[in-house]
Amino acid sequence: QQQVKQSPQSLIVQKGGISIINCAYENTAFDYFPWYQQFPGKGPALLIAIRPDVSEKKEGRFTISFNKSAKQFSLHIMDSQPGDSATYFCAATFRNQYGNKLVFGAGTILRVKS
Amino acid sequence: DADVTQTPRNRITKTGKRIMLECSQTKGHDRMYWYRQDPGLGLRLIYYSFDVKDINKGEISDGYSVSRQAQAKFSLSLESAIPNQTALYFCATSDTRTGMVYGYTFGSGTRLTVV
Repeated sequence: QQQVKQSPQSLIVQKGGISIINCAYENTAFDYFPWYQQFPGKGPALLIAIRPDVSEKKEGRFTISFNKSAKQFSLHIMDSQPGDSATYFCAATFRNQYGNKLVFGAGTILRVKS
Repeated sequence: DADVTQTPRNRITKTGKRIMLECSQTKGHDRMYWYRQDPGLGLRLIYYSFDVKDINKGEISDGYSVSRQAQAKFSLSLESAIPNQTALYFCATSDTRTGMVYGYTFGSGTRLTVV
């Protein structure tokens, strides 16, 4: 059972367009919401992260929007480029008696057409 | 050299065989993790270790075992491989000293095929 539900499963965007990937969660104990980017043949790499007390975080062309009441967050990629083509994972951290753990969404395969 | 190195990169093995996947890191991180990636399922946690003497099961530990031989080394074993363990396996590390609990460093993965 996925603790973080991610959509869409795949996405095709034209160069220069906006890519939007959405995630939803139920566990209110989650305390950070990162996004990871994975290129073929590589491991995922941290892209950007947000705390639940912040509604938006922007780093270059990448923006996380966070809606705490709806338990949803999304990644926006502005001016999408072919080099952004990758798999994107949303994730969430939570703490239990064993320490912090990171859980991932199912992933979105993004293809930016030139 | 990569910060987190996984060996082998690719492996084909037969059903019932024992296989070990190895991970070593040069980042000096205290925490290490094994994840499995399957299409449409994302990354699922198999085992994790917060230090050499601490090993914990993740959400899909059945059929797997791990060993933390040193702070820098964490290996994953499949005692008797079965076809549904065919997947991409990732080792990851994190550092409690930074306080960035969501910042994991991943290796490049091991693609395992069980025939």
